[in-house]
Amino acid sequence: DTAVSQTPKYLVTQMGNDKSIKCEQNLGHDTMYWYKQDSKKFLKIMFSYNNKELIINETVPNRFSPKSPDKAHLNLHINSLELGDSAVYFCASSQDGAGSDGYTFGSGTRLTVV
Amino acid sequence: ILNVEQSPQSLHVQEGDSTNFTCSFPSSNFYALHWYRWETAKSPEALFVMTLNGDEKKKGRISATLNTKEGYSYLYIKGSQPEDSATYLCASLRGANNLFFGTGTRLTVIP
Repeated sequence: DTAVSQTPKYLVTQMGNDKSIKCEQNLGHDTMYWYKQDSKKFLKIMFSYNNKELIINETVPNRFSPKSPDKAHLNLHINSLELGDSAVYFCASSQDGAGSDGYTFGSGTRLTVV
Repeated sequence: ILNVEQSPQSLHVQEGDSTNFTCSFPSSNFYALHWYRWETAKSPEALFVMTLNGDEKKKGRISATLNTKEGYSYLYIKGSQPEDSATYLCASLRGANNLFFGTGTRLTVIP
């Protein structure tokens, strides 16, 4: 059983489209996150959710919106996709906001906007 | 230091050699320091989470130390093996849910 699963693994889409990436964790963790790996391979925090409440939202365009139907899911919706949105997006979860046991990451979704 | 910085960016060592790399982080608003191992085509996996100044943690041949006053952590690998080849990430937790990553040290162990 995959602890943190993301779908799809690959996503190719045209500029201007709206797309979603799904994330599910079966670890019973309280907090989930979305990270973006930029062109320099740098992992940058986008959002975190704790008990369905948005905790932080770094300087991310409002075209990106997290949706959490329950504690085990944190989906990422992206509207009006732009070329610069092409990246690998990682979902992660942790037992608590301090990540006392570390974060558990999904395998990533490679988004390509053409 | 404003961001998390890691050095060197990449490193090649011979099998059997011991090695170490550095993570520097802002010492203000410090909550915890994480180390992750990231193999190609896989997800980052947590190695250590350290919170206290002077902390030392060990897992097999890998160990880490933490100095929160001066803002640095070292990761050591004793007797490197080819399966240790990966990118090693450190990340500084500044406030709950606020984990900032460095760009990693890419280690290649040559058989």
